[in-house]
Amino acid sequence: EDQVTQSPEALRLQEGESSSLNCSYTVSGLRGLFWYRQDPGKGPEFLFTLYSAGEEKEKERLKATLTKKESFLHITAPKPEDSATYLCAVLDNQAGTALIFGKGTTLSVSS
Amino acid sequence: DVKVTQSSRYLVKRTGEKVFLECVQDMDHENMFWYRQDPGLGLRLIYFSYDVKMKEKGDIPEGYSVSREKKERFSLILESASTNQTSMYLCASSLVRGGTEAFFGQGTRLTVV
Repeated sequence: EDQVTQSPEALRLQEGESSSLNCSYTVSGLRGLFWYRQDPGKGPEFLFTLYSAGEEKEKERLKATLTKKESFLHITAPKPEDSATYLCAVLDNQAGTALIFGKGTTLSVSS
Repeated sequence: DVKVTQSSRYLVKRTGEKVFLECVQDMDHENMFWYRQDPGLGLRLIYFSYDVKMKEKGDIPEGYSVSREKKERFSLILESASTNQTSMYLCASSLVRGGTEAFFGQGTRLTVV
């Protein structure tokens, strides 16, 4: 059973069309939730850390939010350069030190 | 900025070869990790280390071993490479035991023929 589930798997947007990506988790005790961006053929690039429900973080057109069971990555007025795979990961009390990743959402933004 | 450097971007090896993937981080992080990434399967943890000479198995350690002789360097070893080990290998590091955000290297695309 997956502990971190991301949806949708793929998302196509027009430039300027805002949307949200979802990350739901079922870990026993959340110590942190992390968002990454990954471009094709490269390693993931760290975006945000969220620690508690109600917390929000923003960076340019991206805004991450956290509830007790899920996180959203809101993309406002996306541009083609926002096209990438967005990964969500959690730190769990039982899992210890290593991040547990979801399978990602691949975002394509066309002009 | 944290820098995690993997020794190769692309590698092609033959079945049965012993393969070494090297990773170096420059921020004095305690933890280092090796993941592999495959289409449809996401990132899966192979091994991690929380201190020099210390290692713990991840979700898929079979066919792999690791070495951490110095704090900044973490090596992944494929004892006898097989075609099902063709994958993208990602090294990461994080600051303290108990975990924080991890920072990744650029990845090594390994092809075993």
